[in-house]
Amino acid sequence: QVQFVHSGAEVQKPGASVKVSCKASGYTFTAYYIHWVRQAPGQGLQWLGRINPKSGDTHHAQKFQGRVTMTTDTSTSTAYLELSSLRSDDTAMYYCARELRFDPRGQGTLVTVSS
Amino acid sequence: DIQMTQSPSTLSASVGDRVTITCRASQSIVTWLAWYQQKPGKAPQLLIYKASSLESEVPSRFSGSGSGTEFSLTISSLQPDDFATYYCQQYDAYPWTFGQGTKVEIK
Repeated sequence: QVQFVHSGAEVQKPGASVKVSCKASGYTFTAYYIHWVRQAPGQGLQWLGRINPKSGDTHHAQKFQGRVTMTTDTSTSTAYLELSSLRSDDTAMYYCARELRFDPRGQGTLVTVSS
Repeated sequence: DIQMTQSPSTLSASVGDRVTITCRASQSIVTWLAWYQQKPGKAPQLLIYKASSLESEVPSRFSGSGSGTEFSLTISSLQPDDFATYYCQQYDAYPWTFGQGTKVEIK
């Protein structure tokens, strides 16, 4: 079964950076794009970007231009999302997905930005 | 960016009711539309992809229809487990975008 194990919750100060990870299992990691989506408390879903694990090619939402970096480690089937210059409105649950499919257990990583 | 507009924002219904949620895209997305169910504190779960294809293991009471700019999700007979928030998402063009969500509440 396809699953993603996300890294643990993070608390960061404004202006700092955060790097979250999700380790994939149950499928060939390089065969599908990984997408990152976030959800602020009580709000809707927002797409941040995607990465092709095979080539490393990325595409991110313009809103995050210059702040988001997506990478993968194919040796461990792990995807990483780094977000820099954090602001309070970056406080959200961060999810990775294989194309349209999120972790079936509903996991994500909570990032809290607070001084 | 393609804007996705869902209606209604909130829907009150009873077990056994037939409910329909609509989603409108600001431009044609052909049939590149997905529907998700989300429960509190959990990641969204895919119900429907390509506008009308049922995801594996999703109950057949869920169905999707539409093309171009107008889409709908129908639950034929609402079950207790279906009270949740539902989102549409277009994946025709980057950036992928979501509707604002429809919360299905117990009447």
